[in-house]
Amino acid sequence: KAGVTQTPRYLIKTRGQQVTLSCSPISGHRSVSWYQQTPGQGLQFLFEYFSETQRNKGNFPGRFSGRQFSNSRSEMNVSTLELGDSALYLCASSPGGTPAMGYTFGSGTRLTVV
Amino acid sequence: KNEVEQSPQNLTAQEGEFITINCSYSVGISALHWLQQHPGGGIVSLFMLSSGKKKHGRLIATINIQEKHSSLHITASHPRDSAVYICAVLSNYQLIWGAGTKLIIKP
Repeated sequence: KAGVTQTPRYLIKTRGQQVTLSCSPISGHRSVSWYQQTPGQGLQFLFEYFSETQRNKGNFPGRFSGRQFSNSRSEMNVSTLELGDSALYLCASSPGGTPAMGYTFGSGTRLTVV
Repeated sequence: KNEVEQSPQNLTAQEGEFITINCSYSVGISALHWLQQHPGGGIVSLFMLSSGKKKHGRLIATINIQEKHSSLHITASHPRDSAVYICAVLSNYQLIWGAGTKLIIKP
């Protein structure tokens, strides 16, 4: 079966711009989680969506938002980009019915803000 | 203090050595994951544990829920095992990540 697909793989944006990242989960998976990985902070949880509802949210400013569509695909949006937003953004999908179901990760989107 | 602590931070070993990476956590969890990240960013889930022990090939993962501790072992290590190994605990629908252990296996 197809894995978790993240697009685009690489992105360069200018400070102040906004960006939208996409994540297509494994077919049948209803939960999508987003994570930010930076050299200084490691991996940090952004938010998790299940059946189009945000089920949990990490400690990120309101510039970071997301949504999930009826087909479980998810998008993450960052507005008013800052240099510190440069990071690898990973999404993970899981069946989602209970918290302990396994995760499958996408390859990530590497965002560079200049 | 971080909620998930891994040790060691860096580990260099010779091919064939037995490797142990440790993970301690301080929060209530529903599961613990061991993941592998190669240069370039891709993350692969190795194990998900909620109790006991799991084995896959040369990899073994154990968890002690009472002691809030897990270990990842690699037997007969090989240079292709070189990667960052990350422990992450699932707590309240979110994964809380350890800082990772960078493992280098020399031929």
